[in-house]
This record gives sequence, structure tokens and C-alpha cells, in this order.
Amino acid sequence: QVQLQESGPGLVKPSGTLSLTCAVSGGSISSSDCWSWVRQPPGKGLEWIGEIYQSESTNYNPSLKSRVTISIDKSKNQFSLKLSSVTAADTAVYYCAREEVGLDVWGQGTTVTVSS
Amino acid sequence: DIQMTQSPSSLSASVGDRVTITCRASQGISNYLAWFQQKPGKAPKSLIYAASNLQSGVPSKFSGSGSGTDFTLTISSLQPEDFATYYCQQYNSYPRTFGQGTKVEIK
Repeated sequence: QVQLQESGPGLVKPSGTLSLTCAVSGGSISSSDCWSWVRQPPGKGLEWIGEIYQSESTNYNPSLKSRVTISIDKSKNQFSLKLSSVTAADTAVYYCAREEVGLDVWGQGTTVTVSS
Repeated sequence: DIQMTQSPSSLSASVGDRVTITCRASQGISNYLAWFQQKPGKAPKSLIYAASNLQSGVPSKFSGSGSGTDFTLTISSLQPEDFATYYCQQYNSYPRTFGQGTKVEIK
């Protein structure tokens, strides 16, 4: 069965760029049409960041749209998130997820702290 | 954006209780509604999609209903492993939005 694993730096400086990768294992990334990113600030609820389709078309949360880029690398069986100009408000656990029948498969999450 | 409002925000219940959580959308979303369970320090787990369809492997004590703007998640007989926070999410339109969560605690 498909499993997802997030990876990337756990600490990012303010005004820098957060870069995360989600590796897909147990199946091909091409077997599902849509892949997503969701985040959760400490002690708070879930926030949808955006998604990418096999066609490489994307949809982003307008609250983050000017700073977000999601890409897909089918040769490496992974997809990625970049968030620029980060502030302390971007400190959160970041999750990647597959959207097939809803967000049905999730990674374990990775904590990113924005601090100097 | 479509606002998703869950009620209650928290509840205390006993093992064996029947528990119902409500989710209301600020505008109609047909049946594009999902429910998730999250335990502390863990990723959300998908329980239900399309308002009433159980994800594979999810026990039948969980059930969902509703359409349009009003939805419910019911746990028929609460067990110790069900104490968690539950979120609804609409995927009818962009941006996808989640409810604020309902924390189910032990009485």
C-alpha cells in the first residue's frame, strides 16, 4: 500500500524559503491523480496549503498563493513544497497527503520551525 | 472561502456512549465532506469521504450523514481508542477548508 514520507530542514530562518519533499513508496506517484500539502501550527487546527495534479496543474490556498509552489517529479516518485518569505507564523507540522477518495493517505508529518 | 463550523468544540463522554459531532458549512457543498481523526502527535486519519462513505479498514461504529450544509459524524459505542480530535473538511470548492476540530475526552 502507498506510504508517504516528508523530509526537509526542520529549521528555517525568517525571510527564507521552506522546502519539503514528500516521497511516495509502495506505488507509483502516477497511479493517483492528485497530491496535497496540509499544515498544522502548534496547538491549532489543520490548514490546506495546496495540491498538484498529474497534469502538473496546481491549486493553492489564496492566503499563501503568492509564496507557495508545489511541484511533482515523477522520475523520483515524489512531490515538493516551497514556501518563500517565511515568518514565525509558518511554524507548523507539515503533512503531505494523497487525494483519491478524499485525503485518504497521509505522511507522518514533519515539524518546521521558523526562527533565527 | 467556505467556513466549516463544528459543534461542540469539545465533549466528555464515557466508554460505550453514542457520540455525535456536527459540522455546518457556510454554503452548500453537496456531499463533498470528509471526516478525520487525529490523536496527539500523529497525522490525521481519514474516516469518511463523500459524507457517508467509510474509508477502507475503518470500523463500522463510525458513520457519517448529511448533504448540503449540515453533516454529522456518529460513533455508535465509544471505545478507549476513539478518544481523539475529529475534523471535518469540505472539498467542494477551493480553498479546501477544515472545521476547527472537536476534542473527544474521557468523562
